[in-house]
Amino acid sequence: SQTIHQWPATLVQPVGSPLSLECTVEGTSNPNLYWYRQAAGRGLQLLFYSVGIGQISSEVPQNLSASRPQDRQFILSSKKLLLSDSGFYLCAWSAGQSNQPQHFGDGTRLSIL
Amino acid sequence: GNSVTQMEGPVTLSEEAFLTINCTYTATGYPSLFWYVQYPGEGLQLLLKATKADDKGSNKGFEATYRKETTSFHLEKGSVQVSDSAVYFCALSVPGGTSYGKLTFGQGTILTVHP
Repeated sequence: SQTIHQWPATLVQPVGSPLSLECTVEGTSNPNLYWYRQAAGRGLQLLFYSVGIGQISSEVPQNLSASRPQDRQFILSSKKLLLSDSGFYLCAWSAGQSNQPQHFGDGTRLSIL
Repeated sequence: GNSVTQMEGPVTLSEEAFLTINCTYTATGYPSLFWYVQYPGEGLQLLLKATKADDKGSNKGFEATYRKETTSFHLEKGSVQVSDSAVYFCALSVPGGTSYGKLTFGQGTILTVHP
């Protein structure tokens, strides 16, 4: 069966520090991969998605970037964190075919001080 | 564009009450519809799905029917439990083209069930 792993679960970082969040998927190949941010426990904002190695699409301009160095690895990064980057970050995957559901990781709670 | 509208929350119920969370959508083409549940501090879990008109998705006592004529996908449960307290998200995806499986989410509905 397929599984998705995100780490770390929680992270506290000072303003201006770099960021790297990692997400890996097991049990499937060539998945679509997604990064979301969720503020205040409610609405989800799609940040990036990827349909293949090295292919990244950004949904909103911001202080973050994403990379996909391997088929089942998706990384969210920042060179300098802002206070507004605080939130709950979720990684998700879906099968390449249309109309397949997304499956989410357990999320990373990021607090910027 | 595509959009999903959920009923305003929060919804507060007593245990064993009947639950309805309304969801309506607008979409180009023929979307697939999903309900996700998020427990406190966790990621989203797929609760149920429906891929074509009149399909009924069901799981853990929850049900939702894909109503194309009313563009709705309301979530129902006959008897809620305290453990159902969570945030519920309705979502859609539109096949083909450049959608790449992206989901359009509703804003979420907070459900609290009291003993």
